[in-house]
Amino acid sequence: EVQLVESGGGLVQPGGSLRLSCAASGFTFSSYWMSWVRQAPGKGLEWVANIKPDGSEKYYVDSVKGRFTISRDNAKNSLYLQMNSLRAEDTAVYYCARGNNIADWGQGTLVTVSS
Amino acid sequence: DVVMTQSPLSLPVTLGQPASISCKSSQSLVYSDGNTYLNWFQQRPGQSPRRLIYRVSNRDSGVPDRFSGSGSGTDFTLKISRVEAEDVGVYYCMQGTHWPRTFGQGTKLEIK
Repeated sequence: EVQLVESGGGLVQPGGSLRLSCAASGFTFSSYWMSWVRQAPGKGLEWVANIKPDGSEKYYVDSVKGRFTISRDNAKNSLYLQMNSLRAEDTAVYYCARGNNIADWGQGTLVTVSS
Repeated sequence: DVVMTQSPLSLPVTLGQPASISCKSSQSLVYSDGNTYLNWFQQRPGQSPRRLIYRVSNRDSGVPDRFSGSGSGTDFTLKISRVEAEDVGVYYCMQGTHWPRTFGQGTKLEIK
């Protein structure tokens, strides 16, 4: 059974940083593209970033380029999202997801950016 | 960016009746490998999203056969043959052909 467990969310001030983690199990992590998708309170889904299985290619939505960095550690079956220069509009539940076409989702971790 | 436009945004349906959601993309979703990467997701209240359909018309494991997907190019449809109470939630289409990936606005299905 595929399991994706996010952690690292919380309350952070505008301009601050946070690192999200996702522990993956139940599949061969090193063979899959991985994604981060977010959902602001009461809003729809927004794709944030993807990373290739070997980490050699990364893609981002324009609104986070230069501020967020997606990475992975295949030896630890883990996915990360380093978020810097956070803004109020980054407040959302962040989901870790498997695949380019998002076959599986984690339960999400809430990031709140507020002073 | 590819804009995904869903309609309707709100869908009241009587139990046992069919339902249909449209998703139109601003560009063709046919990829260079010949596949069309159009996905449908269901998000029940208080839950994470769940993929129902991938590559236009392929049902994911465990998805009831009352759900079906169709379409081509820029025009796609999700159909529920007979709505059940557990189908309440928000449905999203998402394209996986172009960067950045983009979602539709979501269609809220409720029981009339």
